[in-house]
Amino acid sequence: NAGVTQTPKFQVLKTGQSMTLQCAQDMNHEYMSWYRQDPGMGLRLIHYSVGAGITDQGEVPNGYNVSRSTTEDFPLRLLSAAPSQTSVYFCASSWGSYRTEAFFGQGTRLTVV
Amino acid sequence: QQQVKQSPQSLIVQKGGISIINCAYENTAFDYFPWYQQFPGKGPALLIAIRPDVSEKKEGRFTISFNKSAKQFSLHIMDSQPGDSATYFCAASRVDDKIIFGKGTRLHILP
Repeated sequence: NAGVTQTPKFQVLKTGQSMTLQCAQDMNHEYMSWYRQDPGMGLRLIHYSVGAGITDQGEVPNGYNVSRSTTEDFPLRLLSAAPSQTSVYFCASSWGSYRTEAFFGQGTRLTVV
Repeated sequence: QQQVKQSPQSLIVQKGGISIINCAYENTAFDYFPWYQQFPGKGPALLIAIRPDVSEKKEGRFTISFNKSAKQFSLHIMDSQPGDSATYFCAASRVDDKIIFGKGTRLHILP
């Protein structure tokens, strides 16, 4: 099992560019989430999904879009990148509810210049 | 705003010592309290978790102590080793709601 796979691992964007961070899981998990990790800020929830076709906003959703067309994939789109979006992004999945183990990907380190 | 407050931000412990990280929560509806461990360049991974019907859970050198009345829980790492050096996150969640993470503690174990 690959678990949760994130691509790319590193990315540099210019301000105003758009891009999609990919996340795929092969564990048939219903719940998937996107977090950003910044120094001293911990893990902040951007968007989450409780199943295919269902998404909702987290703590810091502005500037990001998500969709969940399949159980396996949960891409995160940056609409118009800003330097404030420089961060490490993590995708996570869990089975059944948020009261079970969350499996995290390896992260995507994004720099916006 | 649901919050989980974690302290300290950073911690240095001698090899063989006890590392203690504390968390406090506000929402009494939380009923699942996990701790995640993150090594540099990696994603967080579940270390140990507790539900509020018990006051303590132990797995090897790692113990969660839970105080429901004080709305506090803590992670104790006994006989701390250099390999335990990592960032630790406490978290809380409740049925059908998202996990709330603390801000993390960077633990460094001196060899």
